[in-house]
Amino acid sequence: QQQVKQSPQSLIVQKGGISIINCAYENTAFDYFPWYQQFPGKGPALLIAIRPDVSEKKEGRFTISFNKSAKQFSLHIMDSQPGDSATYFCAASMGNQGGKLIFGQGTELSVKP
Amino acid sequence: KAGVTQTPRYLIKTRGQQVTLSCSPISGHRSVSWYQQTPGQGLQFLFEYFSETQRNKGNFPGRFSGRQFSNSRSEMNVSTLELGDSALYLCASSGGTRDLLFAEAFFGQGTRLTVV
Repeated sequence: QQQVKQSPQSLIVQKGGISIINCAYENTAFDYFPWYQQFPGKGPALLIAIRPDVSEKKEGRFTISFNKSAKQFSLHIMDSQPGDSATYFCAASMGNQGGKLIFGQGTELSVKP
Repeated sequence: KAGVTQTPRYLIKTRGQQVTLSCSPISGHRSVSWYQQTPGQGLQFLFEYFSETQRNKGNFPGRFSGRQFSNSRSEMNVSTLELGDSALYLCASSGGTRDLLFAEAFFGQGTRLTVV
């Protein structure tokens, strides 16, 4: 019940295309859903985050779509660029768990020029 | 504002030894969390410290411990190292509050620990 399931494991997209990464959770107590981007040799960097009272949040080329009834959320990267090639992690936390994040397994994105 | 600083960046230790990793959070942040990252298990939560107190703990054996100092800097210790402890250890800092509401977490670059 504490798990966050992420798919796909890897994704190849052409430059200019849309990258879509999906995550699903079981625990309805989760109330904060961030996405992190990680480049090799670096720590994860916060990309964008959403709370369940909002169905969509957009920041630049990155959009989170949130479906509370389906307990799913997804990251859309519009106009994908080779510089977006990285590993993406979805995560979730509960309001009474302080700094504890439950992470998905990660998606390795490769954007081909 | 300076980011999260972890030292050292790389460590090689022998099985059975112990190791201490250090994390300096973003100035003003009082919450420090530690994570272990491995190819097989992904990112797993170890523990969180807030105002020098551990307030959350993951499912790791007692060989993994930590502490936080009055300036919010944190250390993590692993005793009796095993080969399976080889991983990237990440520290995350956030402006957490006493009411446990989650705040944005910012990660350091990690310490790459190799146990031989």
